Formats: sequence, C-alpha cells, structure tokens
Amino acid sequence: GNSVTQMEGPVTLSEEAFLTINCTYTATGYPSLFWYVQYPGEGLQLLLKATKADDKGSNKGFEATYRKETTSFHLEKGSVQVSDSAVYFCALSADSWGKLQFGAGTQVVVTP
Amino acid sequence: NAGVTQTPKFRVLKTGQSMTLLCAQDMNHEYMYWYRQDPGMGLRLIHYSVGEGTTAKGEVPDGYNVSRLKKQNFLLGLESAAPSQTSVYFCASNRELAVTYEQYFGPGTRLTVT
Repeated sequence: GNSVTQMEGPVTLSEEAFLTINCTYTATGYPSLFWYVQYPGEGLQLLLKATKADDKGSNKGFEATYRKETTSFHLEKGSVQVSDSAVYFCALSADSWGKLQFGAGTQVVVTP
Repeated sequence: NAGVTQTPKFRVLKTGQSMTLLCAQDMNHEYMYWYRQDPGMGLRLIHYSVGEGTTAKGEVPDGYNVSRLKKQNFLLGLESAAPSQTSVYFCASNRELAVTYEQYFGPGTRLTVT
C-alpha cells in the first residue's frame, strides 16, 4: 500500500537558519504530494502541494520539489522565523476520493 | 464563513460510554473525512463521505460509525468507547473531485477514554 516516511523530530533551529525536512513516499501510480502545517492547538493547514513530477510547490518562503526518480518531496526554507515553529506533515493522495496518507509529522522548534 | 467546525472541543469518557462528534462545514463541499491523530503516527483516516447519504471505511474504521444525513454535517459515533480510542479527532472537507484540491481541517476534538 501507499506510505509516507518523514524525518523524526523535534528539529530545533535558531532563527534565520536553513530548514530541511525529508519526506519520501511509496505509492502506485502518480500521487499528488502535499505539505501540511499544524500550529499549536490548531487543525492542519495546507502549506504547499505538487501534482506531477518536477513540479515545485512554494508558499510563505517554503519550497518542495516532486522528485519521482527518488520518490521524495523534501521541504525547505532558507531562513526560518520563530513563527515557523509547528508540526509539519508530508502527505500524498493517490485516488479520486482525495484521501490523504500522512507521514508521522516533524515538530520544528525555532528559537530566537 | 466559519469553514469547518467541530463539536465538542474536549471530552472525557469512561470505557463503554458512547458519544457523537459533530463536524459541520459551510463551504458546500461534497467530500468529508474523519481522521485521528496519535503521537508518532500522523493522521489516519477513519471514515469518509463523498456525498450526502454516502459513507465509506478508511484505514482504521473499527469501533466507529458515521452518518452524513445532510451535506454540511458529518457525524462520528463511538458506540462503546475504549481507552485505545483516546486521540485527537480531526474532520476535514474537500470540494468535489478531489485529488489536487486542498482539504480544509477543523480545529480538532481531544477525546480521553478512561
């Protein structure tokens, strides 16, 4: 079946540091890939998405590129802020019902 | 436009008790989903619905039932709660046909079963 694996956290960074969160997936066919973010005490929000190979999703300074050859969708941000502290989830959708398969989540803590 | 709302926000149940979680969306979305979130496991799909009057099982449906009598509401029921159902429950909705569309999530319900 389909699965998503992402790096374990917590990841602790200083403000303005570079952030990378690795995400790899296993799926049949051509899934769409997503990064969702969960701020403390809230539900999930879509951060970015990519629907086909070599697509780059970007939003709020975050980027991720759909790499079919390495089945990866790593999240990056060049300069993090304290407000980026959250849990980040990589997810895929591979059917017509929009069902999401999530990774375990990576907590990111950014200190001043 | 409230988006997706969930009721209640918190609940403590004793083993064997029953309860219903309510999800409501005001975006006229066709698709709705119930997930549970457990530490180290991400979110797992319990049940979903692709339209009023239709429901289907997800990855972890055992011990739960759902109903979608009105398009805007999706109810999740626990008939006989067990400690293993202690979790945070999220509802989400999506426009029709679905693969590339964003799911909108509610704020969650934290359920503890003692």
